[in-house]
Amino acid sequence: EPEVTQTPSHQVTQMGQEVILRCVPISNHLYFYWYRQILGQKVEFLVSFYNNEISEKSEIFDDQFSVERPDGSNFTLKIRSTKLEDSAMYFCASTIPAGHTDTQYFGPGTRLTVL
Amino acid sequence: AQSVAQPEDQVNVAEGNPLTVKCTYSVSGNPYLFWYVQYPNRGLQFLLKYITGDNLVKGSYGFEAEFNKSQTSFHLKKPSALVSDSALYFCAVRASNQGGKLIFGQGTELSVKP
Repeated sequence: EPEVTQTPSHQVTQMGQEVILRCVPISNHLYFYWYRQILGQKVEFLVSFYNNEISEKSEIFDDQFSVERPDGSNFTLKIRSTKLEDSAMYFCASTIPAGHTDTQYFGPGTRLTVL
Repeated sequence: AQSVAQPEDQVNVAEGNPLTVKCTYSVSGNPYLFWYVQYPNRGLQFLLKYITGDNLVKGSYGFEAEFNKSQTSFHLKKPSALVSDSALYFCAVRASNQGGKLIFGQGTELSVKP
């Protein structure tokens, strides 16, 4: 069964450094998402991406964040200058639009630790 | 604004007993409701969804959920719990537009004891 994959599984970085989190969505999916989950808190939407542009973003997704689909398979989330509060689990998800019935399928996540 | 509430942080059930994990929602327009499960150090796995039609939705691993419009609830149920069902369960609601973001509840930790 096709799956969403994410790399790395765990990233440790120093405050102020740039990080790039990578995702490979399911191959025939067209909508892509990033969510994050701070330890002990709920899963929060960051951004959705469709047709090579951002379709929706949350208040969390400020100028320090960017997303890209550099080729036909990868979907990346870049944090330009990491802060301590960026430490969280980051989930990628994808879906194939099917009217109102589309289901988002999630990857295993990347745990980002900012020191 | 859309929101989801899971009133119980933790639910404890004995193996073989029925389980219920509660979820209520607030949304303008038609609700599109989902349940996901998260095992330790794993991603979110889709369990089931309600879009329209029959109020009782059946999903993976023997789980089902009942949509109740008047009570704005979407409780997750299973007739007979297994120890392996122990995990974190998330209810989510989606905007009615295609490709819309999911809004998650805070999660409920289900613990099934032998």
